[in-house]
Amino acid sequence: GAGVSQSPSNKVTEKGKDVELRCDPISGHTALYWYRQSLGQGLEFLIYFQGNSAPDKSGLPSDRFSAERTGGSVSTLTIQRTQQEDSAVYLCASSLVWHEQYFGPGTRLTVT
Amino acid sequence: AQSVTQLGSHVSVSEGALVLLRCNYSSSVPPYLFWYVQYPNQGLQLLLKYTSAATLVKGINGFEAEFKKSETSFHLTKPSAHMSDAAEYFCAVTGGYQKVTFGTGTKLQVIP
Repeated sequence: GAGVSQSPSNKVTEKGKDVELRCDPISGHTALYWYRQSLGQGLEFLIYFQGNSAPDKSGLPSDRFSAERTGGSVSTLTIQRTQQEDSAVYLCASSLVWHEQYFGPGTRLTVT
Repeated sequence: AQSVTQLGSHVSVSEGALVLLRCNYSSSVPPYLFWYVQYPNQGLQLLLKYTSAATLVKGINGFEAEFKKSETSFHLTKPSAHMSDAAEYFCAVTGGYQKVTFGTGTKLQVIP
């Protein structure tokens, strides 16, 4: 069956612009996670959704970052007024059983 | 609170040699532990997981890991390395909640 998909796969944007990153989870998966992977770093937890609600937003780095999930399915991560330090790979994962997360291929964001 | 430390950001082994990737964890509650593999330009794939059942866990592609509470370790091993094992490996821990904390990763190089 289809896995987790993310779009775009690559995004280059100018500093100060807003960007939207999309995640399509595996159908039926109730939980959805966003992570950020910077060069030489591990995965940094950003936010997780259970259904459409986000019980844990503790990882969002600043108020420029926001995320939503609609219909218990697609999620969008929005970064406003992008900065160069936002450059990273943004990974999305979904799960039905909480300890089995399935990851998408990621979106590589480059802020110039 | 939880954390995970992966010893060695880069490990090189000869093809056919033993693979040993080290992971030590810290958790204030009984942990669940995971190893993920990431191939270039791909998302993470779950290799194996420890969820408080058997301490020796077998995963895909011939990998296994042993949970040692006394040493707070969860090292990943494979008896004989293949060229296809070259990738980045991430250890991760959770205390039973949805938030999973990842290590900084170990890049495995397999030398022919």
